[in-house]
Amino acid sequence: DQQVKQNSPSLSVQEGRISILNCDYTNSMFDYFLWYKKYPAEGPTFLISISSIKDKNEDGRFTVFLNKSAKHLSLHIVPSQPGDSAVYFCAASAPLFGNEKLTFGTGTRLTIIP
Amino acid sequence: DAGITQSPRHKVTETGTPVTLRCHQTENHRYMYWYRQDPGHGLRLIHYSYGVKDTDKGEVSDGYSVSRSKTEDFLLTLESATSSQTSVYFCAISEDPGETQYFGPGTRLLVL
Repeated sequence: DQQVKQNSPSLSVQEGRISILNCDYTNSMFDYFLWYKKYPAEGPTFLISISSIKDKNEDGRFTVFLNKSAKHLSLHIVPSQPGDSAVYFCAASAPLFGNEKLTFGTGTRLTIIP
Repeated sequence: DAGITQSPRHKVTETGTPVTLRCHQTENHRYMYWYRQDPGHGLRLIHYSYGVKDTDKGEVSDGYSVSRSKTEDFLLTLESATSSQTSVYFCAISEDPGETQYFGPGTRLLVL
């Protein structure tokens, strides 16, 4: 039972345009969400996070949006750059309910076309 | 970058042999985790540790054991490797539960 779902295995975006990566979750107890970025042959690196008390968090070119009623979050990258080509994982946890373990989605491979 | 190393980085072994993977951190973080990454599954938690000699199971712990005798080292042992354990293994650390986890570079394991 996949509690965190990334339904798009891959996405291609033109350089300079907006990249939107989506993530859905089924467990209503999740209250902390993260995005990780992974290059080939490297470990995932933390990108940005959001707690359930917010609906938006920005860090430079990266913005994460959370829609709790739809159990949906998205990562926006503007403008997209070639170095953004990587696999992106969303992850969720429920620290307020005593479950700090991360549950990951299956990942979306983003390719930025120069 | 968090100081996390994993060894070996690549290993080929045969079915039925024991294998030990090592994770070493220089950050003095209390929490350490072992994940495996497989196509179509993302990252799945195998075991984690919340202190020296304190460990617990994750969602895919069967066939794996762990040990942590020092803060800086977390070992993952495949007691008798099977082909289904061919995967990429990542170690992660965090200062507190619920805090951001930082990942090591991974170990690619092939079980023939």
